[in-house]
Amino acid sequence: AQSVTQLGSHVSVSEGALVLLRCNYSSSVPPYLFWYVQYPNQGLQLLLKYTSAATLVKGINGFEAEFKKSETSFHLTKPSAHMSDAAEYFCAVRSIQGAQKLVFGQGTRLTINP
Amino acid sequence: DARVTQTPRHKVTEMGQEVTMRCQPILGHNTVFWYRQTMMQGLELLAYFRNRAPLDDSGMPKDRFSAEMPDATLATLKIQPSEPRDSAVYFCASGPDGTGVEKLFFGSGTQLSVL
Repeated sequence: AQSVTQLGSHVSVSEGALVLLRCNYSSSVPPYLFWYVQYPNQGLQLLLKYTSAATLVKGINGFEAEFKKSETSFHLTKPSAHMSDAAEYFCAVRSIQGAQKLVFGQGTRLTINP
Repeated sequence: DARVTQTPRHKVTEMGQEVTMRCQPILGHNTVFWYRQTMMQGLELLAYFRNRAPLDDSGMPKDRFSAEMPDATLATLKIQPSEPRDSAVYFCASGPDGTGVEKLFFGSGTQLSVL
């Protein structure tokens, strides 16, 4: 079965610092991978997705993620954190049991310090 | 600006009561998903529909939960009877046909508290 593991339930960085949110996946087939962001009291918004094309994927709000098959990783980065980036971030993989299903990680809460 | 609309945003009820949550998918989207989010379990898929037909509801407790799409503009999730362990945020998401999960749009959720 597909699964994702997000390392670190809470990450705190200073404004202007590098943001790195870690995600490792488990999949027996080439995966489709996603990062979603959830702001307080809102639903999830798609940040970016990897669907077997370029391994470096650029998303909205300056975020990007790199698919590394050898490390089974799909870490999310942003060069310079902004206060508005404070939110919860979810990594997800498309399930092979059903192409319409997403399996989510537990989430990482990102806090930005002024 | 197209969006998935969920009602109510918040619901507080007593154990044993029936709860109905509603979702209006984006016009033209024919896949609808229900997810539940809790601190302990994270995001769990409860059920999903395509063209109003349930394709998978294996994540849903069958004895008390039911999901339906009476028409293309309305999806409902019912809990009867509700229990305190059902307290969670329930999200609906919709997507256009042919794109799978790559173009999912989530609603803002219904926060359910069962006392």
